Amino acid sequence: GDSVTQTEGQVALSEEDFLTIHCNYSASGYPTLFWYVQYPGEGPQLLFRASRDKEKGSSRGFEATYDKGTTSFHLRKASVQESDSAVYYCALLNTGYQNFYFGKGTSLTVIP
Amino acid sequence: EAAVTQSPRSKVAVTGGKVTLSCHQTNNHDYMYWYRQDTGHGLRLIHYSYVADSTEKGDIPDGYKASRPSQENFSLILELASLSQTAVYFCASRQGGDSDYTFGSGTRLLVI
Repeated sequence: GDSVTQTEGQVALSEEDFLTIHCNYSASGYPTLFWYVQYPGEGPQLLFRASRDKEKGSSRGFEATYDKGTTSFHLRKASVQESDSAVYYCALLNTGYQNFYFGKGTSLTVIP
Repeated sequence: EAAVTQSPRSKVAVTGGKVTLSCHQTNNHDYMYWYRQDTGHGLRLIHYSYVADSTEKGDIPDGYKASRPSQENFSLILELASLSQTAVYFCASRQGGDSDYTFGSGTRLLVI
């Protein structure tokens, strides 16, 4: 079945460090890919999405490129800030738009 | 502004008691979902609904019931609450197709 695997657990970085959170997916057809961000005490909110191969999604300095060849959608940011501390979820919506599949989440802590 | 409102924000329940979590959306979305969030498991789908008066089982429906009496309202019911149901619960809505989710702020449930 369809699934998403992302960097699990906690990631701790210093301000201005480079961030990469890996996301790989398994799905039939051509899924739509998403990154969600969840700040403390809130529900997840959409960061950005991508629907086709080589499409780049971006928002707030974060970006990810849909790579169908490597089935990946890695989240990157060149210089993280303390305000980026949050939980990040990679997700896919399968072909046919029936179901979302979420990764288990990555907790990012940025140390000032 | 489109919104998903959950109530209560937090609740303490006794084992074996009945718990009802409520969700109201003003997005005019057709689809509504209930997820639970646990450390190490991320977001797991409990129940969802495509239309009023109809609900579907998600990935972990055991011990939960759902009710969708109108397009705007979607409830999650724990008939006999158990310790293992201590978690944060999120309601979400979306329009369908390849649209993304709008999440509520969550309900923190503690079963003692």
